[in-house]
Amino acid sequence: GAVVSQHPSWVICKSGTSVKIECRSLDFQATTMFWYRQFPKQSLMLMATSNEGSKATYEQGVEKDKFLINHASLTLSTLTVTSAHPEDSSFYICSAPVGRTDTQYFGPGTRLTVL
Amino acid sequence: GESVGLHLPTLSVQEGDNSIINCAYSNSASDYFIWYKQESGKGPQFIIDIRSNMDKRQGQRVTVLLNKTVKHLSLQIAATQPGDSAVYFCAESPMDSSYKLIFGSGTRLLVRP
Repeated sequence: GAVVSQHPSWVICKSGTSVKIECRSLDFQATTMFWYRQFPKQSLMLMATSNEGSKATYEQGVEKDKFLINHASLTLSTLTVTSAHPEDSSFYICSAPVGRTDTQYFGPGTRLTVL
Repeated sequence: GESVGLHLPTLSVQEGDNSIINCAYSNSASDYFIWYKQESGKGPQFIIDIRSNMDKRQGQRVTVLLNKTVKHLSLQIAATQPGDSAVYFCAESPMDSSYKLIFGSGTRLLVRP
């Protein structure tokens, strides 16, 4: 299957700092990528849709100024958590559909811990 | 709001037995359904999918059943193995949603040796 990678796999930062997470499609191009957040023992919640060459689309309740998304190329989307606080600590996962199919492949996730 | 939910949060089965994980969905406009497996600390792994014009689809040791009448989805795992222990999520994609997925709450499958 298609491969999606994320970097870093885990990050610890101080409260008030910003953290950038990268999502890459390694063997296919993705005009659309999705960012999810998952708290412990909970399901995945869609945060936003990352669109190559245009602005991201955010789900209701997700602050666009807090979670900056940039889809700079057909293989890279980045999520920047700005002014991170302990409540932003979570598992962030990206996904991308392959071609014009619905099948989405997920990255391995990034564990963010804000102290 | 519309959601995808599961009946059982935890399922414990004996190694070698068959497992059945259930999921109820509420969005009648969904036309694509997927099962994912998630191991601890990892991203979801695609298992099998099914479109709304089908009611059954089989893969290797897995079968997905779709009952649109009662909006029910199930994942059957044959001859469950210890490596099948994980959390399983169903997800639905509403028609014309630009590939958005709505995830259910998840079921943890524990395989007893």
